[in-house]
Amino acid sequence: DTAVSQTPKYLVTQMGNDKSIKCEQNLGHDTMYWYKQDSKKFLKIMFSYNNKELIINETVPNRFSPKSPDKAHLNLHINSLELGDSAVYFCASSQGTGRLNSPLHFGNGTRLTVT
Amino acid sequence: DQQVKQNSPSLSVQEGRISILNCDYTNSMFDYFLWYKKYPAEGPTFLISISSIKDKNEDGRFTVFLNKSAKHLSLHIVPSQPGDSAVYFCAARGGKGNAGGTSYGKLTFGQGTILTVHP
Repeated sequence: DTAVSQTPKYLVTQMGNDKSIKCEQNLGHDTMYWYKQDSKKFLKIMFSYNNKELIINETVPNRFSPKSPDKAHLNLHINSLELGDSAVYFCASSQGTGRLNSPLHFGNGTRLTVT
Repeated sequence: DQQVKQNSPSLSVQEGRISILNCDYTNSMFDYFLWYKKYPAEGPTFLISISSIKDKNEDGRFTVFLNKSAKHLSLHIVPSQPGDSAVYFCAARGGKGNAGGTSYGKLTFGQGTILTVHP
């Protein structure tokens, strides 16, 4: 009965490859996010979708493309992987995007290693 | 330009004592603050939050204090237990560009403090 689940948990791949990370939430939330935890351990937002609509798009290379087939799923596709893409990627969800103090619920992360 | 900072990378406390985790922020537009707890190989889990209209919020052993004039918040855990050993992240919501609320889900995180509670 995992609330926010992401797959795979670990991903090791070579530079130049294309890979996807999947995320699903069963909380009934209408907003989903991708966060990246870099080598300095900061968690930084990449994207946010509300009801399948992109609402936050931080300064992220366009090699990263999120896709939300429905409000329970938000996948992250990465083209032409680079060494600097190595990080832990966290999916999250929340209810609402307005001034509702709804905390984010996070998945367990996907550790991406690019060699 | 890190807007949320946790200047102590680690904290070690004896079981039963108080743990105090600190967080500083620079953006005066932040109006909601949260603390998350993270165990290894897991995602952050929400712990406690506070709105900028308050200066204290308590939930069981956990209390968050907010000092807006100093742009500082702290998390107090008392009494500390070995199971509290984890990484604690503070986060802030709101800020420049969030008028209208569509970006209200954007959290700015600190870099975390590793808390170790010794039996």
